[in-house]
Amino acid sequence: SYVLTQPPSVSVAPGKTARITCGGNNIGSESVHWYQQKPGHAPVLVIYDDSDRPSGIPERFSGSNSGNTATLTISRVEAGDEADYYCQVWDSSGDHAVFGGGTKLTVL
Amino acid sequence: QVQLQESGPGLVKPSETLSLTCTVSGDSVSNGRYYWSWIRQPPGRGLEWIGYIYYSGNTNYNPSLKSRVTISVDTSKNQFSLKLSSVTAADTAVYYCARDLMGANGGVWFDPWGQGTLVTVSS
Repeated sequence: SYVLTQPPSVSVAPGKTARITCGGNNIGSESVHWYQQKPGHAPVLVIYDDSDRPSGIPERFSGSNSGNTATLTISRVEAGDEADYYCQVWDSSGDHAVFGGGTKLTVL
Repeated sequence: QVQLQESGPGLVKPSETLSLTCTVSGDSVSNGRYYWSWIRQPPGRGLEWIGYIYYSGNTNYNPSLKSRVTISVDTSKNQFSLKLSSVTAADTAVYYCARDLMGANGGVWFDPWGQGTLVTVSS
């Protein structure tokens, strides 16, 4: 089964740029999606298909995907961005979804 | 605006069957553009996809849960349901339902999600 690896935590100062990685074997050939989850709430889609943003998601959120690493980038980080972030792909060989273990973003 | 709402018992005894229903508003489960999924999250842990259903009844399940999971759809009520049999404490989790969207290049993502419902397995 396909495995996605995320760092458990990332810390960033307000106004700076946060980068959260998602590692997987040749993940660049997959479509990667990202979710933000705040405590006590359901996940919210912030990036789909590597780099597309759903309506209502700020332009500060962007994504990229190449080689063995996909990256969620949050520019000009705000206190309200503090949350857990999960990457996800669809494992077409097994026809099922796979999630990364999640990264807790802390705004210092 | 599409909304999903989970409902069902919050407490299930070990070895019994967990049953949840997701009610969809603002869209139709019969919309052939989408699949509909269940996803769970144990307390303090990450997300685990359980399975999906299509309005025709076509299903697919996580291999790790396949022997215990049944997902069904009721188009007349615009609902889909989850049954998980022989539950143990390890099945204690927040259970979410979600709509699956598919991209042109085969990617599948989940949007929106229901608010989630906590199911505790305990005697």
